[in-house]
Amino acid sequence: DIVMTQSPDSLAVSLGERATINCKSSQSILDSSNDNNYLAWYQQKSGQPPKLLIYWASTRESGVPDRFSGSGSGTDFTLTISSLQAEDVAVYYCQQYYSTLPFTFGQGTRLEIK
Amino acid sequence: QVQMQESGPGLVKPSETLSLTCSVSGGSIRSYFWSWLRQPPGKALEWIGYIYYSGSTNYNPSLKTRVTMSADTSKNQFSLKLNAVTAADTAVYYCARVMCDFWSACTHAYHMDVWGKGTTVIVSS
Repeated sequence: DIVMTQSPDSLAVSLGERATINCKSSQSILDSSNDNNYLAWYQQKSGQPPKLLIYWASTRESGVPDRFSGSGSGTDFTLTISSLQAEDVAVYYCQQYYSTLPFTFGQGTRLEIK
Repeated sequence: QVQMQESGPGLVKPSETLSLTCSVSGGSIRSYFWSWLRQPPGKALEWIGYIYYSGSTNYNPSLKTRVTMSADTSKNQFSLKLNAVTAADTAVYYCARVMCDFWSACTHAYHMDVWGKGTTVIVSS
């Protein structure tokens, strides 16, 4: 299995400040034939299902605010929220889909307001 | 706009079979892959498997011996059966749509872009 490890486990950021969440895969999830990184980011608010934010490591899903951005390649990836809003309090997960046996998720990062 | 809704018993006895159905509205299941995932209380997401409308499946190896998925195109639904359940199977179960490479007749599954609200299943006698 490809193991996805997120850091930190929890994070407290002041409103309007930048939040950065990291995700590391145990092997490269870059397909060199198409230059795509097979990584998605999801946001899960309390009591709700996950919501897709980012796919192909850096493509924002339709309707997602542009303060959310994804970056990275190979084994190291980052989700950045440029200016934290109160509604961004949630748990964030990264997921790889390079290998479908199985799809795997990170352990989650809990983001709170400082 | 595609919407998905899980349904099924909220309580299952140990050693019995958990059965859930996901009803899809606003779009046909005759494209994309369709997935089941679960989330034990306070824990991370776990992918269970996915199915293509034709019936081809891909299961998480850790659950493969206990999982069966099926699709009913006439009802626009797909289903999950997990047998021989234990307390460790207590979780919120989600269904989700899985994007794929349409240009290659969905030979590779990608990210999950639409999710159901989830249904809680407790395994207890």
